[in-house]
Amino acid sequence: AQSVTQLDSHVSVSEGTPVLLRCNYSSSYSPSLFWYVQHPNKGLQLLLKYTSAATLVKGINGFEAEFKKSETSFHLTKPSAHMSDAAEYFCVVSERFSSASKIIFGSGTRLSIRP
Amino acid sequence: DSGVTQTPKHLITATGQRVTLRCSPRSGDLSVYWYQQSLDQGLQFLIQYYNGEERAKGNILERFSAQQFPDLHSELNLSSLELGDSALYFCASSVGTITDTQYFGPGTRLTVL
Repeated sequence: AQSVTQLDSHVSVSEGTPVLLRCNYSSSYSPSLFWYVQHPNKGLQLLLKYTSAATLVKGINGFEAEFKKSETSFHLTKPSAHMSDAAEYFCVVSERFSSASKIIFGSGTRLSIRP
Repeated sequence: DSGVTQTPKHLITATGQRVTLRCSPRSGDLSVYWYQQSLDQGLQFLIQYYNGEERAKGNILERFSAQQFPDLHSELNLSSLELGDSALYFCASSVGTITDTQYFGPGTRLTVL
């Protein structure tokens, strides 16, 4: 069965400091993993996607995530936070080859950036 | 702009009523997905259609139904509305499978009074 856990509901960092948003998942098959971002009153936008190619995935706006199968983690990082990064971030797992293909969103992590 | 359009932007209705939300996918995308986002339940996958056929089902209530038409636009029908159905409803589209990148519309905010 699929599940995804975002370990922090809220993360606050200072502008220019590193960002770490944590995500653990479980999946019975080889999953696809995503990070999406949602700015206030907007739809979701893809940040990056893992599909069993390189374990270190680079996304837009300087974000990247590393797939660690042994730890069942897919944490999102960025070396230096910018004020425009303030948003809600969702970790997502989906499976296609199970008998009932599904997609599950994590509960979200709200990222705040302090000036 | 993702290329996915949703109408209407806002909808206010009363309990017991029925509403229809509409979604037009990006040009070339065959799959449409519906999601419900609320404060208490977060973002929930409801249903996926691929080229007119239901492909995957999530936490969709029996009072809700969806369809995808030959021109690939989709409609989500919500009936016997309850206060708890108040939420933001998103549509997304992708080229094909549920593991593809999805492009999200701006959402329809439904308020049930």
